[in-house]
Amino acid sequence: GENVEQHPSTLSVQEGDSAVIKCTYSDSASNYFPWYKQELGKGPQLIIDIRSNVGEKKDQRIAVTLNKTAKHFSLHITETQPEDSAVYFCAATGFQKLVFGTGTRLLVSP
Amino acid sequence: DGGITQSPKYLFRKEGQNVTLSCEQNLNHDAMYWYRQDPGQGLRLIYYSQIVNDFQKGDIAEGYSVSREKKESFPLTVTSAQKNPTAFYLCASSPRRSSYNEQFFGPGTRLTVL
Repeated sequence: GENVEQHPSTLSVQEGDSAVIKCTYSDSASNYFPWYKQELGKGPQLIIDIRSNVGEKKDQRIAVTLNKTAKHFSLHITETQPEDSAVYFCAATGFQKLVFGTGTRLLVSP
Repeated sequence: DGGITQSPKYLFRKEGQNVTLSCEQNLNHDAMYWYRQDPGQGLRLIYYSQIVNDFQKGDIAEGYSVSREKKESFPLTVTSAQKNPTAFYLCASSPRRSSYNEQFFGPGTRLTVL
């Protein structure tokens, strides 16, 4: 079945810097790759997603890139702000379900 | 106001007791999911349901049970057979049964077994 690995587990940046989180997946049949942001004590919130027929997608300060050949995808956050501090999860489609990475704790210092 | 609701937010139970966590959605979504999240870890799938009156085991179904009698409701029972039930439980729903499968999460229930 699908296996998703996510790196790094913790990422500390200064406000205004960029942050990049990377994920790899194992199943070449996966066709959908969402990213979630989870704040402390809350449920994950879908922030951006990408389908396998697209290489890059942007939404304001957030972008996701997908390399199907290498089976990896990345989340890019530019001009980080303290409110971006949270845990970020990547996921990939498995059979009838999503398979999640183990999460990246992003800390943005003022 | 559409969304996914989970209740209660915090739940305390004594060891050996069964407990049922509620999940309701008014998004008219077909599929619903239950995940478990332990501190500092990712989301592990417990059960999912693609359609009313049908559900499938996820990766860690032992010690849990579910029902899907109505499209909008997918309650999870944590039984006394679950060896380590203290965790954060998340319910999610998806508009489609398969394909792109985007999922939207509720606020979660934190269960503590004393």
